[in-house]
Amino acid sequence: EDQVTQSPEALRLQEGESSSLNCSYTVSGLRGLFWYRQDPGKGPEFLFTLYSAGEEKEKERLKATLTKKESFLHITAPKPEDSATYLCAVRSNAGGTSYGKLTFGQGTILTVHP
Amino acid sequence: SQTIHQWPATLVQPVGSPLSLECTVEGTSNPNLYWYRQAAGRGLQLLFYSVGIGQISSEVPQNLSASRPQDRQFILSSKKLLLSDSGFYLCACTRDRVADTQYFGPGTRLTVL
Repeated sequence: EDQVTQSPEALRLQEGESSSLNCSYTVSGLRGLFWYRQDPGKGPEFLFTLYSAGEEKEKERLKATLTKKESFLHITAPKPEDSATYLCAVRSNAGGTSYGKLTFGQGTILTVHP
Repeated sequence: SQTIHQWPATLVQPVGSPLSLECTVEGTSNPNLYWYRQAAGRGLQLLFYSVGIGQISSEVPQNLSASRPQDRQFILSSKKLLLSDSGFYLCACTRDRVADTQYFGPGTRLTVL
């Protein structure tokens, strides 16, 4: 069974204080790893898809990296508006290409103080 | 780009009452559609997925059912709600039948009293 563990559960940063969120996964053949941002009371907003170890993607202050066992979401010089829950999910190769089940972690709640 | 509409945004229902949540998608062709539930403080749980009109697969046994009457319409239903059905219901779609990334709608907050 696919499993995703995110750490820490909660992270409090000062504005400008860079840090990283971790996503460890166990999957029977990784088809893709996904990062989402979720604001309170809203649906998850897509950030990145990573497919293979060594891949990196960037968007503004966020950078996602992938190894064979985990992914990191690096936040550089965060601002208060980066405060949100960050969700990691994996899709395995099982079930055929049209299945697409995502297994989610519990998320990391990020709070950035001004 | 795709846009997902969900309604209602918020719903309060008594135990034993029926349920119908609707999801419609714009800007996609032949998408895969998904229903997830997010309980307070927990991750997302996949409930149903559909790869085409009338094709529904269930992930977990439960009190809910889903239907896909049109290519870009996905409906979540129940005949009799339970307290445990409370949660945040999210509809998601892919851009097409083979795309990997799922995009989420704004969600419906359901409270069963």
